[in-house]
Amino acid sequence: AQKITQTQPGMFVQEKEAVTLDCTYDTSDQSYGLFWYKQPSSGEMIFLIYQGSYDEQNATEGRYSLNFQKARKSANLVISASQLGDSAMYFCAMRGSNTGNQFYFGTGTSLTVIP
Amino acid sequence: NAGVMQNPRHLVRRRGQEARLRCSPMKGHSHVYWYRQLPEEGLKFMVYLQKENIIDESGMPKERFSAEFPKEGPSILRIQQVVRGDSAAYFCASSGPPRGSGYGYTFGSGTRLTVV
Repeated sequence: AQKITQTQPGMFVQEKEAVTLDCTYDTSDQSYGLFWYKQPSSGEMIFLIYQGSYDEQNATEGRYSLNFQKARKSANLVISASQLGDSAMYFCAMRGSNTGNQFYFGTGTSLTVIP
Repeated sequence: NAGVMQNPRHLVRRRGQEARLRCSPMKGHSHVYWYRQLPEEGLKFMVYLQKENIIDESGMPKERFSAEFPKEGPSILRIQQVVRGDSAAYFCASSGPPRGSGYGYTFGSGTRLTVV
């Protein structure tokens, strides 16, 4: 079975500080992909970053980086230098090579950036 | 705009009516996926379609829900005889041909269905 767990319903961070959003996963697939999406109050789903299970380097995209610890089955999102526009819901998601038709999403973390 | 287009953005239906949600995939994409997001939850997979074919409908409720992706035109998610519990955001995504686990979707902006 595939499962994504996000244990932080809500997080606060001071503007310009870094913040880590937690994500753990469970899968029996040997090959899988991990994704983070941002959902602002307007509702759309915005792709942020991707990590493949065989990638040796942690993924980075601008101010976003993914702290991938395979043995711990964790894929935490790190946002550096937080901005007010980062306030949104953040969803961790996974797709396995044997269940490639669908993503499994966590329940999300609501991030609020404080000026 | 070459992204995934969903319409309408907001849809209000009375209990018992039909809801039709439309999705036009990104240019060049022939694979469409529908997801539902209930309040305070993450997205849940409903159905995966290619042109004129339903590939995986394991997440679709057995009754009242159907989906199609005709040869011409957008993909349609149809909900018959809507009930209050159908109120949710419905997202469509599209992709090119699947390549293992490493490819991503492009999501549309969603349709927010409210049943009154």
